Amino acid sequence: EPEVTQTPSHQVTQMGQEVILRCVPISNHLYFYWYRQILGQKVEFLVSFYNNEISEKSEIFDDQFSVERPDGSNFTLKIRSTKLEDSAMYFCASSEAGGEYRGYNSPLHFGNGTRLTVT
Amino acid sequence: GQSLEQPSEVTAVEGAIVQINCTYQTSGFYGLSWYQQHDGGAPTFLSYNALDGLEETGRFSSFLSRSDSYGYLLLQELQMKDSASYFCARKYGQNFVFGPGTRLSVLP
Repeated sequence: EPEVTQTPSHQVTQMGQEVILRCVPISNHLYFYWYRQILGQKVEFLVSFYNNEISEKSEIFDDQFSVERPDGSNFTLKIRSTKLEDSAMYFCASSEAGGEYRGYNSPLHFGNGTRLTVT
Repeated sequence: GQSLEQPSEVTAVEGAIVQINCTYQTSGFYGLSWYQQHDGGAPTFLSYNALDGLEETGRFSSFLSRSDSYGYLLLQELQMKDSASYFCARKYGQNFVFGPGTRLSVLP
């Protein structure tokens, strides 16, 4: 069964450094997302991406964050200058369609995540 | 707003039935989804209700009442492997918002 893959599985970085988290969504999926989860807490939406542009972003997704789909398979999240509070598990997800529309459901498929630790 | 509410923890014994409730703020026509997450793992899709009523998938069932902005996940014949966190989720705009999660502990 096709799956979303994320690399690396763990990333340790120093405060102020740039990190790039990588994701390969499922090949026939059109919608891509980044979520993060601080240990033991809820899954928080960061950004959604469709047709090579951001569809929606949360308040968390400030100017320090950016996303890119540099080729036909990869989807990346960049944090320009990491802060201690950016330490979390970052999940990439993809869906075939835009989630839900009047009864049709296209669920999110999540990767296994990248655990980012900022020291 | 875009908030969903769930109980933080539920504990039950093997073989029992447990219900995890979710209430949400109403916006749009969207239904309610449920995801399971084991410790250290990724959320995985369990169930979706587009319309009012009960959807059954094996040991798991999910219910939705749109007029009450309320849904629940029902887990029957609990097994140890069902110990996990369960999240309700709903689409708002172009993103999915997740509830805070309910941690289910299944005891022998």
